[in-house]
Amino acid sequence: GQQVMQIPQYQHVQEGEDFTTYCNSSTTLSNIQWYKQRPGGHPVFLIQLVKSGEVKKQKRLTFQFGEAKKNSSLHITATQTTDVGTYFCRGTSYGKLTFGQGTILTVHP
Amino acid sequence: EAQVTQNPRYLITVTGKKLTVTCSQNMNHEYMSWYRQDPGLGLRQIYYSMNVEVTDKGDVPEGYKVSRKEKRNFPLILESPSPNQTSLYFCASSLSRAGGYTFGSGTRLTVV
Repeated sequence: GQQVMQIPQYQHVQEGEDFTTYCNSSTTLSNIQWYKQRPGGHPVFLIQLVKSGEVKKQKRLTFQFGEAKKNSSLHITATQTTDVGTYFCRGTSYGKLTFGQGTILTVHP
Repeated sequence: EAQVTQNPRYLITVTGKKLTVTCSQNMNHEYMSWYRQDPGLGLRQIYYSMNVEVTDKGDVPEGYKVSRKEKRNFPLILESPSPNQTSLYFCASSLSRAGGYTFGSGTRLTVV
């Protein structure tokens, strides 16, 4: 069955450093979405990628969808303490939707 | 304000005592879903609904029931809760199955 693996599980950075989380699927994805969950909060939808090789930016966040549509990444430039939380990807493949395990980001001031 | 409303936010109950967690959305979304979130296991889908009177099992449906009698409401029912159902539960809705989810604030359930 479809699996969406997300790495790393944890990432600790100093404020100002960059951060990247990766999602890898065992099957080709029709789309991938990214969510952010603040500590004690609920997941919030950030973005959806659909096209092969697609790159989208939201301020300091850059989202990429791989050429083969089997992987994706979220990159944060110059992290801030407000970036702390868990980042999830959610992939859709042949009608099945699967969340990655999430990457927990902590930012030390 | 567009939102998904879950109640209650916190619930402590005893094994075997039936409970219902309510979920309501005001966005006219067709797709609704329930997830449980456990440390190290991420978000796992319990049940989902494509539209009124259309529901289907997710990855971990055992011990849960749902109903979709109206488009806006999608309650989660635990007929006989057990301690292994202690978890953080999220309701979510979207325009379509592949669309971006709007999540509720969550219900932290403890079964003793």
